[in-house]
Amino acid sequence: RKEVEQDPGPFNVPEGATVAFNCTYSNSASQSFFWYRQDCRKEPKLLMSVYSSGNEDGRFTAQLNRASQYISLLIRDSKLSDSATYLCVVYTGGFKTIFGAGTRLFVKA
Amino acid sequence: GAVVSQHPSWVICKSGTSVKIECRSLDFQATTMFWYRQFPKQSLMLMATSNEGSKATYEQGVEKDKFLINHASLTLSTLTVTSAHPEDSSFYICSAPGTPIYEQYFGPGTRLTVT
Repeated sequence: RKEVEQDPGPFNVPEGATVAFNCTYSNSASQSFFWYRQDCRKEPKLLMSVYSSGNEDGRFTAQLNRASQYISLLIRDSKLSDSATYLCVVYTGGFKTIFGAGTRLFVKA
Repeated sequence: GAVVSQHPSWVICKSGTSVKIECRSLDFQATTMFWYRQFPKQSLMLMATSNEGSKATYEQGVEKDKFLINHASLTLSTLTVTSAHPEDSSFYICSAPGTPIYEQYFGPGTRLTVT
């Protein structure tokens, strides 16, 4: 079992749609959780951190369920510019950070 | 925010040759840097942790004699792919930890193609 698993997609959605990504992690001792965005042939960029209480940044909402070891990202009112790969990232302590393989999103006009 | 640069951004080399990739922290000092490799449609896989002034720590399955890492200063780490083969073709990305430690500043990556 992979340490961080994501649905690879791709998700093809029209502009304005709401889309949700899921991620599960295997290490129950994991400490911090993040969503990164990676554009084609570019480095990953931090989108947002994920907390048990949930957090929202504009059209993006992230949620963590520690009991189920599950992380989610919700994107509302999708824009063309949201097209990218979204990486679920788990920090397990020390210098150890595990990246999911990513979920590809295509937003179409 | 902190900036990490990589050079070159892309390189094509012939099988059997060696390629050096540089990773620089431009506006901060980095005693530790990370080297990742990413194959198409796959996740970033940590190859090694580079430590200034000491030997790098390699992840299981990564050949230390093939992927030579040198962290000679607080702002520069290099990865040399020795005797490159087509299967080494990949996207190589470096990063440096920030504050807090789990925040990483990524370089723009180097796309290596071995023919």
